[in-house]
Amino acid sequence: DVKVTQSSRYLVKRTGEKVFLECVQDMDHENMFWYRQDPGLGLRLIYFSYDVKMKEKGDIPEGYSVSREKKERFSLILESASTNQTSMYLCASSLPGGPYEQYFGPGTRLTVT
Amino acid sequence: GESVGLHLPTLSVQEGDNSIINCAYSNSASDYFIWYKQESGKGPQFIIDIRSNMDKRQGQRVTVLLNKTVKHLSLQIAATQPGDSAVYFCAALGRGAGSYQLTFGKGTKLSVIP
Repeated sequence: DVKVTQSSRYLVKRTGEKVFLECVQDMDHENMFWYRQDPGLGLRLIYFSYDVKMKEKGDIPEGYSVSREKKERFSLILESASTNQTSMYLCASSLPGGPYEQYFGPGTRLTVT
Repeated sequence: GESVGLHLPTLSVQEGDNSIINCAYSNSASDYFIWYKQESGKGPQFIIDIRSNMDKRQGQRVTVLLNKTVKHLSLQIAATQPGDSAVYFCAALGRGAGSYQLTFGKGTKLSVIP
């Protein structure tokens, strides 16, 4: 079974802090994605990566950056956390060829106070 | 770009009945669609997918129907069980930000009445 793990299930940070969300997948998938999920808005794509050291902006990249130094690991960085970044963050991975069947991690619920 | 919408935010079904969850998409060039199930406190879980060269695809107790003419797809769950209670998302593959990406609908919460 594909397994996507995220470093924390719950995280509380203060405004202005730098926040790292880590995602690791164990199926040698080329593609990895970061989404945020908010009530009434569904899943929105923040960033994705189709290869190591490669990244592309999704629909809402402002305030975020990413890092993909190894194939299995994709990190989401909030350079200076703000209260409007309080959300559920979901990481996903998929096989090459396109963002087809994506496997999701359990999510990190981030609260910024 | 693509937009994906679900017709109903909530759906209540009696245990044992069939459930139908509907979804509409906007981009006629979308060629791939997925249904996900998300249980409380968990990440979305793949249920079934369909490509645009198909009208119907069946899985275990689930069927996805695609009507490209009206840009509509539906998920049918046969003999709905309490374990089917979850939020269901459809997603369509469309072009965005210069690359192909999945666009997700907002979800329909399915409640199964015992």
